[in-house]
Amino acid sequence: RKEVEQDPGPFNVPEGATVAFNCTYSNSASQSFFWYRQDCRKEPKLLMSVYSSGNEDGRFTAQLNRASQYISLLIRDSKLSDSATYLCVVNDFGNEKLTFGTGTRLTIIP
Amino acid sequence: DAGVTQSPTHLIKTRGQQVTLRCSPKSGHDTVSWYQQALGQGPQFIFQYYEEEERQRGNFPDRFSGHQFPNYSSELNVNALLLGDSALYLCASTSGLPPYGYTFGSGTRLTVV
Repeated sequence: RKEVEQDPGPFNVPEGATVAFNCTYSNSASQSFFWYRQDCRKEPKLLMSVYSSGNEDGRFTAQLNRASQYISLLIRDSKLSDSATYLCVVNDFGNEKLTFGTGTRLTIIP
Repeated sequence: DAGVTQSPTHLIKTRGQQVTLRCSPKSGHDTVSWYQQALGQGPQFIFQYYEEEERQRGNFPDRFSGHQFPNYSSELNVNALLLGDSALYLCASTSGLPPYGYTFGSGTRLTVV
């Protein structure tokens, strides 16, 4: 089983729609959780950290369910500029590495 | 404030050759990690350097080695290149202090032919 699993997509969504991504992780001791965004042939950039209480940043909402080892990202009112690959990332306590999922590719259609 | 800088941006090497990639961390960061990202995959952790020592290593063979210098910059060396080493190599730096987080460089795209 992969440490971090994501649906690779692609997701093709009309502009203005709401889209949700899901991610599961295998290590119950994982400590920190993130969503990164990666544009084509560019480096990953931190989109947001994910907290147990859930957190929101503008049109983006992230949720963490530790019991189910499940992370989600919701994008509301999607824009053309949201087209990118979204990477689910986990960091285990006492572990220096970030573990990435394979990423979910999103294309917003005008 | 300069972010993470990597050089070169692109590189083509022949199978069996050796390659050295370079990384300068973001100002104020003292810890450097290297990741390999194959096409269509997420980045995979190679190793991390702190205080000029390898602190942790991922599942990569000994052909992959690294170094960190006193100014916190780092090199990634790959010996005996294989076609499968073709990938985007990303360097990430962090300070280990709040606000926590890693800053990635734009990467070096290595093609082995």
